[in-house]
Amino acid sequence: DTAVSQTPKYLVTQMGNDKSIKCEQNLGHDTMYWYKQDSKKFLKIMFSYNNKELIINETVPNRFSPKSPDKAHLNLHINSLELGDSAVYFCASSQTGSAYNEQFFGPGTRLTVL
Amino acid sequence: AQKVTQAQTEISVVEKEDVTLDCVYETRDTTYYLFWYKQPPSGELVFLIRRNSFDEQNEISGRYSWNFQKSTSSFNFTITASQVVDSAVYFCALIRNSGYALNFGKGTSLLVTP
Repeated sequence: DTAVSQTPKYLVTQMGNDKSIKCEQNLGHDTMYWYKQDSKKFLKIMFSYNNKELIINETVPNRFSPKSPDKAHLNLHINSLELGDSAVYFCASSQTGSAYNEQFFGPGTRLTVL
Repeated sequence: AQKVTQAQTEISVVEKEDVTLDCVYETRDTTYYLFWYKQPPSGELVFLIRRNSFDEQNEISGRYSWNFQKSTSSFNFTITASQVVDSAVYFCALIRNSGYALNFGKGTSLLVTP
């Protein structure tokens, strides 16, 4: 069974479009994250949600809006896509209680903006 | 502020050689946690190990070993008798005790050739 799943795996779209990436975890975790990996492989936190509440919102353009309908899901909606948004987006989850808890990552969504 | 430095961008070795991947971190916290993740060519992020700041014991897992030294703020990773399947990008990461986000280093790309 997949622990953290993301859909779609690949997303190719035109500049200016709006798109969403979905993330679901079946681990019973209550903390979820979005990380962005750029073309140089650098991984950086974008958002963190705990019990559906936004905990971290790094310096991310407000074109990016995370939505957590329940503890098992954290979706990422991106408005007015730009070329610079091309990257791999990883969803992750962990059990709250300790930062020592392992973060489990999804397979990633490769977004290409043309 | 937290910072993780992986000074080696790329390393290339021949199979069966030993290789050490360096990780140096900066933090003002006394309690923090360190992680290593592997990203093979298939793209997923695979957890390898975690260590808390109070546990300086080295760890060995098969061909993998980790050396944590607080005195030098380093958490180095050694692969003994490397194999082609070890070819991947390896990330070192740090999270503060009260944190929700992993701060990743820029990664070291390891290529093991036959």
